Amino acid sequence: DVKVTQSSRYLVKRTGEKVFLECVQDMDHENMFWYRQDPGLGLRLIYFSYDVKMKEKGDIPEGYSVSREKKERFSLILESASTNQTSMYLCASSLIGGNYGYTFGSGTRLTVV
Amino acid sequence: AQKVTQAQTEISVVEKEDVTLDCVYETRDTTYYLFWYKQPPSGELVFLIRRNSFDEQNEISGRYSWNFQKSTSSFNFTITASQVVDSAVYFCALTGNQFYFGTGTSLTVIP
Repeated sequence: DVKVTQSSRYLVKRTGEKVFLECVQDMDHENMFWYRQDPGLGLRLIYFSYDVKMKEKGDIPEGYSVSREKKERFSLILESASTNQTSMYLCASSLIGGNYGYTFGSGTRLTVV
Repeated sequence: AQKVTQAQTEISVVEKEDVTLDCVYETRDTTYYLFWYKQPPSGELVFLIRRNSFDEQNEISGRYSWNFQKSTSSFNFTITASQVVDSAVYFCALTGNQFYFGTGTSLTVIP
């Protein structure tokens, strides 16, 4: 069964901490994405990557960075966590073009206290 | 610009009722794809259907059916004889140079 795996289901971090959210896919997909999901706002794209070592800003990149050193792994980094980054974070992957849809991970619910 | 609108924020129905979730989209592309995803309480978005812009045939899969109408830029989703397990957030999405999601409709099926 093909999968996108997010390393943590729930995380609680303190304000100012550096936070790493890890995502691994086993489908050899070129594209990988990080979204955050908040009530009433739907899914908002933070960053995406079309290839190894390549990254593009999405709609809300401020306060985040990403790393893609290997094709199967896409990491989201919160350089200095803040309470307004408390959210559900979803990783997704797709083939080039995305026309066959995205495959999503189960999400990481991050709470920053 | 591409955009997906799901005007229904929350819907509650009693079990066995039929329910339709609305999706209206905007795009200038002539070729595009539309999707529906289901997000149960567990959190993972689950793919339900993909439809390309050249295929306006309605589709039925068990209790689920989809009505795609280019003339009204709509791609509506109907659940027949709803069940408690249908309770979830449903997202409509459109491809462009990225994926465009609607804000989702939260469906609660009351036993």
